[in-house]
Amino acid sequence: DAKTTQPPSMDCAEGRAANLPCNHSTISGNEYVYWYRQIHSQGPQYIIHGLKNNETNEMASLIITEDRKSSTLILPHATLRDTAVYYCIVRVASLTGGGNKLTFGTGTQLKVEL
Amino acid sequence: ETGVTQSPTHLIKTRGQQVTLRCSSQSGHNTVSWYQQALGQGPQFIFQYYREEENGRGNFPPRFSGLQFPNYSSELNVNALELDDSALYLCASSFIGGQGSGYTFGSGTRLTVV
Repeated sequence: DAKTTQPPSMDCAEGRAANLPCNHSTISGNEYVYWYRQIHSQGPQYIIHGLKNNETNEMASLIITEDRKSSTLILPHATLRDTAVYYCIVRVASLTGGGNKLTFGTGTQLKVEL
Repeated sequence: ETGVTQSPTHLIKTRGQQVTLRCSSQSGHNTVSWYQQALGQGPQFIFQYYREEENGRGNFPPRFSGLQFPNYSSELNVNALELDDSALYLCASSFIGGQGSGYTFGSGTRLTVV
């Protein structure tokens, strides 16, 4: 799985958009970009994933650059409950499961403040 | 639709003992993975089970073993516990059969080895 680089921490004012960057310059053509977050003392929570097109769901938007070497997770209106560690992960989606693991880095600690 | 449940939530063991952690997969999922998360680090992949067989393993010694049952629930067994085994152990279920499958994590078992 390709390696990812994220800033260790970011701050965001409540109600503003939080833009979390991720660099994955060695991503392969068949690797997806996944975002998970982990609120203190809980298991990671799936947010969104994409291959090359921008994606949006009820939680966030994912913007992937045209060369796929970087992406940005956007939380459009951050709240205090969005304070968490955010992980950017790239991996192959394997149909047989052997390569289905998630390789976590140390992520970005997002702190949302009043 | 139920999520992933893990038991127990907390556990204290003595060095050299053996421990069994349990996980119930989310309904409809056929794969279970186990992760170890040390304090301040991202989760590290231990192994994955699919069709009741180990189907991928991370860099963990053989004293870490597991089982997957016909109902897709799972156990993680750790023998000869060491102090460094103290961590949050996370179980994640997913469905193999389509691209981009997301993982659902449990809240974990906090193991302390003294």
